[in-house]
Amino acid sequence: AQKVTQAQTEISVVEKEDVTLDCVYETRDTTYYLFWYKQPPSGELVFLIRRNSFDEQNEISGRYSWNFQKSTSSFNFTITASQVVDSAVYFCALSESLTQGGSEKLVFGKGMKLTVNP
Amino acid sequence: GAGVSQSPSNKVTEKGKDVELRCDPISGHTALYWYRQSLGQGLEFLIYFQGNSAPDKSGLPSDRFSAERTGGSVSTLTIQRTQQEDSAVYLCASSFSQGAIQFFGPGTRLTVL
Repeated sequence: AQKVTQAQTEISVVEKEDVTLDCVYETRDTTYYLFWYKQPPSGELVFLIRRNSFDEQNEISGRYSWNFQKSTSSFNFTITASQVVDSAVYFCALSESLTQGGSEKLVFGKGMKLTVNP
Repeated sequence: GAGVSQSPSNKVTEKGKDVELRCDPISGHTALYWYRQSLGQGLEFLIYFQGNSAPDKSGLPSDRFSAERTGGSVSTLTIQRTQQEDSAVYLCASSFSQGAIQFFGPGTRLTVL
């Protein structure tokens, strides 16, 4: 069975601090996708990144960066120089690939609430 | 429309009543998913549509829950004889095809009194 664990439930930082959100996953599939979504106070889930299991390159997008390590089944997310607007709940998710016969439904972690204080 | 839309945004109902929740996916998106977000259970998958068919209904919690999709577009999630444990935010997502990124709607907050 697939499982996503976000061990941190809540983090509070001061603006301009760097913060890393941990994500550990479990799957028996060899082909899968990993995601991060952001849920601001408004409630709508916003897509941030998708990574497939064959691509372990780290990715940077502005202040956001992601570190994918298959050896430790982790897909961690770092926000550099955090801002108040980064305050949200962040979800890590996993989906099986169609090639495994699945629907690519997302399996989510419990989410991590980030509060960035001015 | 530009994004996934859902209606109503809020629904309050009495225990035992039936409710219908609607999802309008992004135009052209063939895949549609329903999820539920509750405090106790987090974000859970309910059902997946490809076109008008539902090849994966594995997340529906009981036979009181059903969903349909017509014209490869709008989907309706129906909950019969609602119970208090059905209270949650019901989220709809659509994607261009299987394997593409899922984009979420704003959700319907259901409260069962």
